[in-house]
Amino acid sequence: KAGVTQTPRYLIKTRGQQVTLSCSPISGHRSVSWYQQTPGQGLQFLFEYFSETQRNKGNFPGRFSGRQFSNSRSEMNVSTLELGDSALYLCASRAAVMGDEQFFGPGTRLTVL
Amino acid sequence: GENVEQHPSTLSVQEGDSAVIKCTYSDSASNYFPWYKQELGKRPQLIIDIRSNVGEKKDQRIAVTLNKTAKHFSLHITETQPEDSAVYFCAADRLNGNQFYFGTGTSLTVIP
Repeated sequence: KAGVTQTPRYLIKTRGQQVTLSCSPISGHRSVSWYQQTPGQGLQFLFEYFSETQRNKGNFPGRFSGRQFSNSRSEMNVSTLELGDSALYLCASRAAVMGDEQFFGPGTRLTVL
Repeated sequence: GENVEQHPSTLSVQEGDSAVIKCTYSDSASNYFPWYKQELGKRPQLIIDIRSNVGEKKDQRIAVTLNKTAKHFSLHITETQPEDSAVYFCAADRLNGNQFYFGTGTSLTVIP
């Protein structure tokens, strides 16, 4: 079974621009979560989608948004990029039953200049 | 909401020694506790997990213990090897929840 994939793997943007990241979950997984990882900050939860609905959202500004499609693929968008948005963005998928293992993608490394 | 605290933030051990990482959680409704290992430049990968109906689970050199009363769980790595060097994250999954709450991570260094 193919793992979680994310595109692109690396991205360089400038302040004020917007960016869209994509995540394809493991086949059959309906839940996709997004995390921001910065040095020393661990994994900060952004949001979780299940069956095209956002079920939970972390403490991030409204510039961070996401969506999920009917095939469970998910995108996250960051508008009006700031220098502090530079981070590794990880998505993770799970089958959606509570207590299921969560599988991470390789991440998208976003650099904002 | 749930709050997961993880200690220590850094840990250095000699090869062959044991390493212990501890996490506490606040929500008694949490019922699933995974541990992830993240090597430099790689994605977090599950190494072991435990559910609230079990007190201890072991997989070769890795074990996890859970104390539901005290709301803490620990990762134990025995006979450490240099390839165990990585950042380890604990997490808690709430009953009826849809969000993993992660600890802040422990950077483990195994000195050859």
